[in-house]
Amino acid sequence: DTGVSQDPRHKITKRGQNVTFRCDPISEHNRLYWYRQTLGQGPEFLTYFQNEAQLEKSRLLSDRFSAERPKGSFSTLEIQRTEQGDSAMYLCASSFQGTRAEAFFGQGTRLTVV
Amino acid sequence: AQKVTQAQTEISVVEKEDVTLDCVYETRDTTYYLFWYKQPPSGELVFLIRRNSFDEQNEISGRYSWNFQKSTSSFNFTITASQVVDSAVYFCALSEVRDDKIIFGKGTRLHILP
Repeated sequence: DTGVSQDPRHKITKRGQNVTFRCDPISEHNRLYWYRQTLGQGPEFLTYFQNEAQLEKSRLLSDRFSAERPKGSFSTLEIQRTEQGDSAMYLCASSFQGTRAEAFFGQGTRLTVV
Repeated sequence: AQKVTQAQTEISVVEKEDVTLDCVYETRDTTYYLFWYKQPPSGELVFLIRRNSFDEQNEISGRYSWNFQKSTSSFNFTITASQVVDSAVYFCALSEVRDDKIIFGKGTRLHILP
């Protein structure tokens, strides 16, 4: 296992289109987190899962955003009707037993909405 | 509410100088975790250290050291004898046990000049 994997690494889409990102966590990790990072800012929490259960969603996560982790393994983050303000780096992280253990981050998916 | 403040937006030092990155946090909880992450130009967040709120012992790892002071709600990070490879953005982060998500500061961009 080489760490947290995110796909795609880069995505350019036209405003109004839907996009979906995938995250494959480290296999034994039961926690999975999604963050968004814009230029010059720290990562902002979006949502997290304990196995397949989505435990918390940030107010940043509008109705256009949805995340799933259907079998407690990989996760998807979908953005519907993308807007230019959605342009950012989307980061996924995983950890074992919550933040009592360190969270490992993937390389992120950079979304550009044109 | 939990909050992390990194007042230094950007720091430049000449190689081999020591440099300290400041971090001040706010939390209502007595049990929490503090973190430092490094984000090199490649973009991936690299875990450096995790500290729990009951352990105020300072830690040293090679050229890196961390000073945790509950009395001032600070968790500062010092790099001794800095090297060009230390150039990156460094994030301080906080997690409260009761909700288990990691909240990041805005980061400090560190430039080590040759």
